Amino acid sequence: ETGVTQTPRHLVMGMTNKKSLKCEQHLGHNAMYWYKQSAKKPLELMFVYNFKEQTENNSVPSRFSPECPNSSHLFLHLHTLQPEDSALYLCASSQDAEVHQPQHFGDGTRLSIL
Amino acid sequence: GQNIDQPTEMTATEGAIVQINCTYQTSGFNGLFWYQQHAGEAPTFLSYNVLDGLEEKGRFSSFLSRSKGYSYLLLKELQMKDSASYLCAVTDSNYQLIWGAGTKLIIKP
Repeated sequence: ETGVTQTPRHLVMGMTNKKSLKCEQHLGHNAMYWYKQSAKKPLELMFVYNFKEQTENNSVPSRFSPECPNSSHLFLHLHTLQPEDSALYLCASSQDAEVHQPQHFGDGTRLSIL
Repeated sequence: GQNIDQPTEMTATEGAIVQINCTYQTSGFNGLFWYQQHAGEAPTFLSYNVLDGLEEKGRFSSFLSRSKGYSYLLLKELQMKDSASYLCAVTDSNYQLIWGAGTKLIIKP
């Protein structure tokens, strides 16, 4: 138990569907992150929220839309995805976005696009 | 460009010692992290180095040489449960965390 919970664990969707990934952290942290993890590739940072404000958007396509209603919850809204978007999506949190703070990860959502 | 290099895969024997290397070329340096990730699970934090030298934490140790752009993770008294991927990540001068692709460690009896 890492203190970061992601749902669903697995998601299969068609390219025209709309779905959302959910992340909840129970650690009292103020920073939350979305990452994409593809096989044999480095983790790709997608979005960063610090104290509910988005501070990072690493040129992510607009078909991915984040939402952070409070410091404990983070969503990733998906629409009209492409097959190359199939990957493991990881959520992480840290005390804040300071450089020396380790990140705590959820188990991820395995996304498959048909 | 920024780059983190780690071996793709390593194999070691139960009870032995293994060293996983990480070299980096980044625009500046503000610390290096090691994470462990078991298949299908979350990456978990192992160590953080910002100054040169060796940090020891039980069976695991992490070393850093900033002048060489080099780190290693040393695992002693290997156990089967140590089979996992080990991720190296560096914080650059813009406080971006740059990740390596990870080293898959296979432990054999």
